[in-house]
Amino acid sequence: GAGVSQSPRYKVAKRGQDVALRCDPISGHVSLFWYQQALGQGPEFLTYFQNEAQLDKSGLPSDRFFAERPEGSVSTLKIQRTQQEDSAVYLCASGTDYGYTFGSGTRLTVV
Amino acid sequence: GIQVEQSPPDLILQEGANSTLRCNFSDSVNNLQWFHQNPWGQLINLFYIPSGTKQNGRLSATTVATERYSLLYISSSQTTDSGVYFCAVGDYGQNFVFGPGTRLSVLP
Repeated sequence: GAGVSQSPRYKVAKRGQDVALRCDPISGHVSLFWYQQALGQGPEFLTYFQNEAQLDKSGLPSDRFFAERPEGSVSTLKIQRTQQEDSAVYLCASGTDYGYTFGSGTRLTVV
Repeated sequence: GIQVEQSPPDLILQEGANSTLRCNFSDSVNNLQWFHQNPWGQLINLFYIPSGTKQNGRLSATTVATERYSLLYISSSQTTDSGVYFCAVGDYGQNFVFGPGTRLSVLP
């Protein structure tokens, strides 16, 4: 597609519920990043893929967070047993060595 | 890991004024981008500029890689320029780190 597509755009989850956030990167982009952005803060790195390989997951805040990109294109960020502190906007970016493009994000609210 | 600082943290301008935003980073990088996050949360890529100077309309940017800083210039500011401006840096195959941002408000 023309841009990075994320779905759903908004998600409300009850505390303890599992959620899955999807990212469709720009076709052909090797690199894919996930970021978490809390209200009033800058994006914080979660994890990075190069094709299907997850090269860095040092930013994932706990073992409740899991990301995958099995075929090197679409990626899914899964959060198990959601907590209130997981409420944030989750941003996906894809790109090459010449810059990254961001999706519109998924706003997750845990109630 | 690499550290990124931005200044000023907040900036209020009258429409038509010019401004300069600064980004300092702690290590050599191969990727530096400036983004504008609009009030709806969308991150818009302004410049990919690991070195040199680029211009796009009223915006221009300069990165001096050897001195580890980048500047974003906004001329003849408009109310639609309001939002948060982020500098982000990284190296090939590595984490891409954001600065804390500069929050710009342009008043009519």
